[in-house]
Amino acid sequence: NAGVTQTPKFQVLKTGQSMTLQCAQDMNHEYMSWYRQDPGMGLRLIHYSVGAGITDQGEVPNGYNVSRSTTEDFPLRLLSAAPSQTSVYFCASSYATLQGPTRNEQFFGPGTRLTVL
Amino acid sequence: DQQVKQNSPSLSVQEGRISILNCDYTNSMFDYFLWYKKYPAEGPTFLISISSIKDKNEDGRFTVFLNKSAKHLSLHIVPSQPGDSAVYFCAAWPSGTYKYIFGTGTRLKVLA
Repeated sequence: NAGVTQTPKFQVLKTGQSMTLQCAQDMNHEYMSWYRQDPGMGLRLIHYSVGAGITDQGEVPNGYNVSRSTTEDFPLRLLSAAPSQTSVYFCASSYATLQGPTRNEQFFGPGTRLTVL
Repeated sequence: DQQVKQNSPSLSVQEGRISILNCDYTNSMFDYFLWYKKYPAEGPTFLISISSIKDKNEDGRFTVFLNKSAKHLSLHIVPSQPGDSAVYFCAAWPSGTYKYIFGTGTRLKVLA
């Protein structure tokens, strides 16, 4: 199993550009999520999904869009990049049920380091 | 409002000694607590978890203690090894939601 994969590893954008960060998992996990990690801020939840066709906002969703058309893929779209979106982005996945996680462990991808100039 | 707090940004410990990492929370509706370890340029990896109905969970050298009355959990690593040097995040899962909340992390350095 490849686990959770993210592409690209690094990206530099200019202010106003758009792009999509890719995330895929091969563990048949229902739950997928996106986080950003900033110095002194820990990991903050951007968006999450509990299954294909179901997405919801996390703590810091502004400026980001997501969709979940398949169980495997959960892309994160930056609509109009801003310097405040310079960060390291992590995608994660885990099992989930409507009653909450049956297994709480999230598997994280290696991250995408994004710089917005 | 930071619901999960790790007040020590860094900690240094001698190899072989005990490392204690602390985490405080404000929301009594958290169902599960988890610890993740993160090496530079890698994603976090799961370490150990505890349900809110327990007060201790042990896995090898790692033990997590939960004090619900104090809204405090701690991770004990005994004995500490140089390979344990990493950033440790505590995380909480609120009841009825799918929104993990992470702390800001503590950088542990184990000195050989």
